[in-house]
Amino acid sequence: EVQLLESGGGLVQPGGSLRLSCAASGFTFSDYAMSWVRQAPGKGLEWVSSILGSGGRTYYADSVKGRFTISRDNAKNTLYLQMNSLRAEDTALYYCVVYYVNSGGYFDHWGQGTLVTVSS
Amino acid sequence: IVLTQSPGTLSLSPGERATLSCRASQTVSSSYLAWYQQKPGQAPRLLIYSASSRATGIPDSFSGSGSGTDFTLTISRLEPEDFAVYYCQQSGVFGGGTKVEIK
Repeated sequence: EVQLLESGGGLVQPGGSLRLSCAASGFTFSDYAMSWVRQAPGKGLEWVSSILGSGGRTYYADSVKGRFTISRDNAKNTLYLQMNSLRAEDTALYYCVVYYVNSGGYFDHWGQGTLVTVSS
Repeated sequence: IVLTQSPGTLSLSPGERATLSCRASQTVSSSYLAWYQQKPGQAPRLLIYSASSRATGIPDSFSGSGSGTDFTLTISRLEPEDFAVYYCQQSGVFGGGTKVEIK
């Protein structure tokens, strides 16, 4: 059974930093691209970033480009999201998701999310 | 690309048929469109990928269709557990969602 367990969320001041982690199990982690998708309170879904299985290529939404960095440690089956220069509009529940690159790219197997709140 | 979902809210009774629309601002290559269901307090769940392929474990009451810029998610007969918010997605873009509520 695929399991994704996010951690690292919390309250941070504007301009601050936070590092999210996602521990994966139940599948061969290095074989799959992974993504972060977020959802602001009461709002819809927003793709944030993706990384291929090898970790060689990364992709970012324009809203976070230059501030967020996605990475992975395949030896530890863990996905990361380093978030710098945080803004109030980054407040959201951040989901770790397995990203299926084939067939145009879709998201299957979601974690339960970790909440990031950016506020002074 | 922008994905526009309609209606914003759909009020139906259990047993009725639900038809949800997702319109893309430009042609979606090879019908690479997915649909998700999200219930309150839960993570989204993949229902349909490649416009019409059901994900693992999804009942056949859910079906997807469409091509080009117009796509549809149909729930043939609403069960109580089907009342939720539904999102379409293509590549890194999600639609705004359609809420299916009990009438």
